[in-house]
Parts: sequence; C-alpha cells; structure tokens
Amino acid sequence: KNEVEQSPQNLTAQEGEFITINCSYSVGISALHWLQQHPGGGIVSLFMLSSGKKKHGRLIATINIQEKHSSLHITASHPRDSAVYICAVSRGEGSQGNLIFGKGTKLSVKP
Amino acid sequence: AAGVIQSPRHLIKEKRETATLKCYPIPRHDTVYWYQQGPGQDPQFLISFYEKMQSDKGSIPDRFSAQQFSDYHSELNMSSLELGDSALYFCASSLFGELFFGEGSRLTVL
Repeated sequence: KNEVEQSPQNLTAQEGEFITINCSYSVGISALHWLQQHPGGGIVSLFMLSSGKKKHGRLIATINIQEKHSSLHITASHPRDSAVYICAVSRGEGSQGNLIFGKGTKLSVKP
Repeated sequence: AAGVIQSPRHLIKEKRETATLKCYPIPRHDTVYWYQQGPGQDPQFLISFYEKMQSDKGSIPDRFSAQQFSDYHSELNMSSLELGDSALYFCASSLFGELFFGEGSRLTVL
C-alpha cells in the first residue's frame, strides 16, 4: 500500500466547475505539499501545509492531521488549470524536501 | 523574481557515459534537493544539501554523487549511465521549508 494515496487518478471537468482532489497518507509528517506539474514537466509548489487551511486565488487546500487527510479545491475551474496535481508529504524525520510523492491526479478542464 | 535554474534542460548520453546536471538555487536559499522522475513514474527524492553539507539521502544510486558549492549551486554527477537512468531530474531550493522547483533536466540514455 502506498504511503500517500490520491484520488481520483484522473478527473475531467467542464470550465467553471468546482473541483476537489483528495490525499490520504499513512506516515508521520512534518508538512504536506500540493504541487502542480504541467505537460512540459516543470513542477510548481502550490501549498505547504502543516495544519488548517490555506487559500491562494481560486485554490484552497485543507489538512486534517488527526484523519491524515488533505484536500485541494479549485473553484471556477479553467482550462489553464489542466495539469497533474501531486500531493507529497515531508517525512516526520529527515529534511523538509525528503518527500514521499503521491501518484498524482491528472486534471483536464474542458472549455 | 529569480527562480531555480537547472542546466542543461536536455541531455542525451550513451550507456556507460557520464553526465553532470547543475542546479542554481534562488539567491539566499541555503538548501537544495534533487529528485528523479522516470517516465510515467512518481518523483523520487535522491539527496539534499544544507549549507554545503549533505543533509539527507534518499534512493540515490552509488553511481551518482552530488555536492553543493560555496555559491550554493549544486551538481549531480552520474557515472556508468544505464538505460534506466533516463528520467527528468528536478532540483528544488528552500530557505524556510517552502520548496521552489526548477524546470528539470531531461536525461535520455541511449
């Protein structure tokens, strides 16, 4: 069983829809990261969370430490949001960037 | 704003050759991380450096070595290349935990 599980694996949405991507983990963590990877391969860090909720523009990320679960929400989705969204956790021991990665959620937003 | 710079962006090598990838962190960032992402695979953490010292080690093969220099840039040296080393290699830099990723260096081993 993977230590970081994401769902769904693939998601197709119509422009304007509200999108939720889920991440569950089974290890002790010091932080959880949401990353965005575009087809060219570059990775952008969207959020780093250790508790609660963060918002940046149309993106919202929440984490429940007790339940070992995080969600990434995209409001008013747009075709430019099409990308792979990756949940990754920093292990409890080790450096912050020693990440365990989920398998990613491939999001496609249709106009 | 300056981002993390990786070079080269693309590299093609033959089996058993050597390759060197470079990572230039955001100015004043003191920590560099290296990751490998094989085709269709999740990224894997390789190694990290803090203040020019190795700070953590992941699934880095013995054929690979890395270091961080006095100007904080880092180099990943890969020797005796194998077909399975073909991958996208990312580096990321950080100052207070938040990670900033480079665009990656795509290595193809023929």
